[in-house]
Amino acid sequence: SDELIQPSSVSVSPGQTATITCSGVKLGNTFSSWYQQRPGQSPLLIIYQDTKRPSGIPERFSGSISGNTATLTISGTQTLDEADYYCQAWDSRTVVFGGGTKLTVL
Amino acid sequence: QVQLQESGPGLVKPSQTLSLTCNVSGGSIYNGDYYWSWIRQPPGKGLEWIGNIYYSGSSYYNPSLKSRVTISMVPSKSHFSLKLISVTAADTAVYYCARLGFAYGAIRHWGQGTPVTVSS
Repeated sequence: SDELIQPSSVSVSPGQTATITCSGVKLGNTFSSWYQQRPGQSPLLIIYQDTKRPSGIPERFSGSISGNTATLTISGTQTLDEADYYCQAWDSRTVVFGGGTKLTVL
Repeated sequence: QVQLQESGPGLVKPSQTLSLTCNVSGGSIYNGDYYWSWIRQPPGKGLEWIGNIYYSGSSYYNPSLKSRVTISMVPSKSHFSLKLISVTAADTAVYYCARLGFAYGAIRHWGQGTPVTVSS
């Protein structure tokens, strides 16, 4: 299957660590990326090549991969991190997105 | 800094064809390091990849949409287009064009998105 499975929602208190997982067979042999999307905005790339951060993305965002599961970790979560997060995989031809995770910071 | 801008009708009647164009500025559309993509997002739902096109003209589509979608590049112009035939209300969404890096499949550059409603 080409599906990427994410939890639909994650809640975290300010200052704590948020963890969002993304599972799928495709992740075993492709690179994963992560995107943040705030309401009414285009998605923003925050992690690529499983673990790398684009310039300008805060260090509190990190990515990891283990087997068929990619994980986005937000350390010291801030209220402005409240958004939808999507994982994505790429096999040199096709793209698949996870269903998205709504991160609530409260 | 590359910029992408979608354009096209915001309202399409059921059974008709949805046509959108993405204008690319600040970079060449014929750069072999990138694919050019269309992605959509129905109201309140997640992102759905529609398809990619490479500068050579090679294209790849989401299997669930493949029978209805065509993505093409316009020779000598800095834009690429999306055609989706036989639309229904389920095709109502914000449509994004984007540039996907060939090396890692990451999308750093997105258009602002254009809403399209399918309704009579």
